[in-house]
Amino acid sequence: AQRVTQPEKLLSVFKGAPVELKCNYSYSGSPELFWYVQYSRQRLQLLLRHISRESIKGFTADLNKGETSFHLKKPFAQEEDSAMYYCALRGYNKLIFGAGTRLAVHP
Amino acid sequence: GAGVSQSPRYKVTKRGQDVALRCDPISGHVSLYWYRQALGQGPEFLTYFNYEAQQDKSGLPNDRFSAERPEGSISTLTIQRTEQRDSAMYRCASSLGPEGVGNYEQYFGPGTRLTVT
Repeated sequence: AQRVTQPEKLLSVFKGAPVELKCNYSYSGSPELFWYVQYSRQRLQLLLRHISRESIKGFTADLNKGETSFHLKKPFAQEEDSAMYYCALRGYNKLIFGAGTRLAVHP
Repeated sequence: GAGVSQSPRYKVTKRGQDVALRCDPISGHVSLYWYRQALGQGPEFLTYFNYEAQQDKSGLPNDRFSAERPEGSISTLTIQRTEQRDSAMYRCASSLGPEGVGNYEQYFGPGTRLTVT
């Protein structure tokens, strides 16, 4: 079955601390993975995708096929990073989302 | 330019009533998707259109749910005889190209919050 698991509902850190939002997936084949973010009172938007190998707003994510993971990392969290983060997998005609992790960055 | 728009943004309805949710995709976008998001969960796929053709409706939970996109642009998701369990955020997304051809980004609308009382 195709599935995305985000084990943490809430991640709470202080400004300047490193952040790692966990994402594991189940997929037979070559996966395409994404991180979407939803800031307060805004719509869901793409943060990054593994095929681009970009760093967006200081965030990076590496696809680890051996561990079937696509964890999102940032070395120094900022207060403006506080948001809901969703990991997603491209399925057939759809995106398959995890349940999301709320990141709270405290001053 | 304008993004994906959805209306209404909020809808409160009584159980048993029909509701129609509208999605206006980004101009020129071929693909249109509907997702439903329950509280505390991620979005779940409902249906996918390529132009006006509904190519995948595998996510529609039952026959009370239907969707159309008659002219390949605006889409309507209709829920008949609403039930309390239908309460959720309904999200629409569009993308430039069709599924299976390239890796197109899905752009999401603001969502419609449906509450069935």
